[in-house]
Amino acid sequence: AQSVSQHNHHVILSEAASLELGCNYSYGGTVNLFWYVQYPGQHLQLLLKYFSGDPLVKGIKGFEAEFIKSKFSFNLRKPSVQWSDTAEYFCAVNAPWAGGYQKVTFGTGTKLQVIP
Amino acid sequence: DGGITQSPKYLFRKEGQNVTLSCEQNLNHDAMYWYRQDPGQGLRLIYYSQIVNDFQKGDIAEGYSVSREKKESFPLTVTSAQKNPTAFYLCASRDSAYEQYFGPGTRLTVT
Repeated sequence: AQSVSQHNHHVILSEAASLELGCNYSYGGTVNLFWYVQYPGQHLQLLLKYFSGDPLVKGIKGFEAEFIKSKFSFNLRKPSVQWSDTAEYFCAVNAPWAGGYQKVTFGTGTKLQVIP
Repeated sequence: DGGITQSPKYLFRKEGQNVTLSCEQNLNHDAMYWYRQDPGQGLRLIYYSQIVNDFQKGDIAEGYSVSREKKESFPLTVTSAQKNPTAFYLCASRDSAYEQYFGPGTRLTVT
């Protein structure tokens, strides 16, 4: 069964610090990878996604993620965080499942707190 | 305005009662999902539906039931068989590029 691991549960950074959130998945075949973000009081929304091609993908608000197939990783990065980046971040993997269906599995989430 | 609506935002029930959570979408998406979000556990899939009149159990389907009679609607019933029903429930739909669109959620409290 596919699984997604997010190693950092709670990260606290000062504004302007660099961010890297880890995400590893377990599935040997072709996957689609996503990062979603949940700002306080708001809906979960897509930050960025990887389907194929350039393994370095750019998303909204200056975020980027790098897909490293050999490491089964899809880490999220931002060079300089802002207070408004305070949110919970979820990594997700879409992969083939039983019966020809596609299944999305989410990680447990990382709460990011940015201190002004 | 296209999107996912869930109602109500907060729901309170007594133990032993079934309760149905509403989820409606006007995005014309075929696939819809129900997740449960608990602190420190991320989103866990309860049920999903690829198309009308079809649905599949997710990872934690026990004690839950769904129906998909219309494309726009995917209600979730939390039955009395669910051992720990108090949680935040999220509904989502998915487009053809596999991006999921989430509703605002319903916080269910069972006492």
